[in-house]
Amino acid sequence: GQNIDQPTEMTATEGAIVQINCTYQTSGFNGLFWYQQHAGEAPTFLSYNVLDGLEEKGRFSSFLSRSKGYSYLLLKELQMKDSASYLCAARDSNYQLIWGAGTKLIIKP
Amino acid sequence: DAMVIQNPRYQVTQFGKPVTLSCSQTLNHNVMYWYQQKSSQAPKLLFHYYDKDFNNEADTPDNFQSRRPNTSFCFLDIRSPGLGDAAMYLCATGEGHDGKETQYFGPGTRLLVL
Repeated sequence: GQNIDQPTEMTATEGAIVQINCTYQTSGFNGLFWYQQHAGEAPTFLSYNVLDGLEEKGRFSSFLSRSKGYSYLLLKELQMKDSASYLCAARDSNYQLIWGAGTKLIIKP
Repeated sequence: DAMVIQNPRYQVTQFGKPVTLSCSQTLNHNVMYWYQQKSSQAPKLLFHYYDKDFNNEADTPDNFQSRRPNTSFCFLDIRSPGLGDAAMYLCATGEGHDGKETQYFGPGTRLLVL
């Protein structure tokens, strides 16, 4: 079956760095997405990886290892507004997105 | 600004009373998706349209139907809502199946079934 695993909840301190891990098992692979979702709102796109390695975009970076079926989202210089759920989604051979349940990130002052 | 619009943001209906949720987009994207998301769960794809081609997920209940009269609009019809259908319903659009296709989400409609 197809599956996405990510931690349910993480806590970090304002100004610190946090890494949210995601492992995936899909039928074929056509890219890995990270979305941010604030409570009661729609997901918004953060990053896309299809090749191995690190993609950096400001305070957020995303890493992919296809051989390990593994990705992480790295958030630097955490701000209170970064408190949200972070959803990992992998696209399978049919170009369907397989979604994780999200990691709720709590930022403390 | 180009965007995905969902109306209403909150919808209250009665058990068994049909309800329609609407979505419109100004992005001119080929693909439109409907997701159901319950609290602390992953979005669950109900169906999607690639242009006018309708694709239903195998486990989407028959109680859920969809219409896409033109590129810009897509509707989700719930014929006989049950208490278990209370959820956030997310509409999303995409340019197609190739490459770096990002899905753009509307703000969602939160459905409450009484």
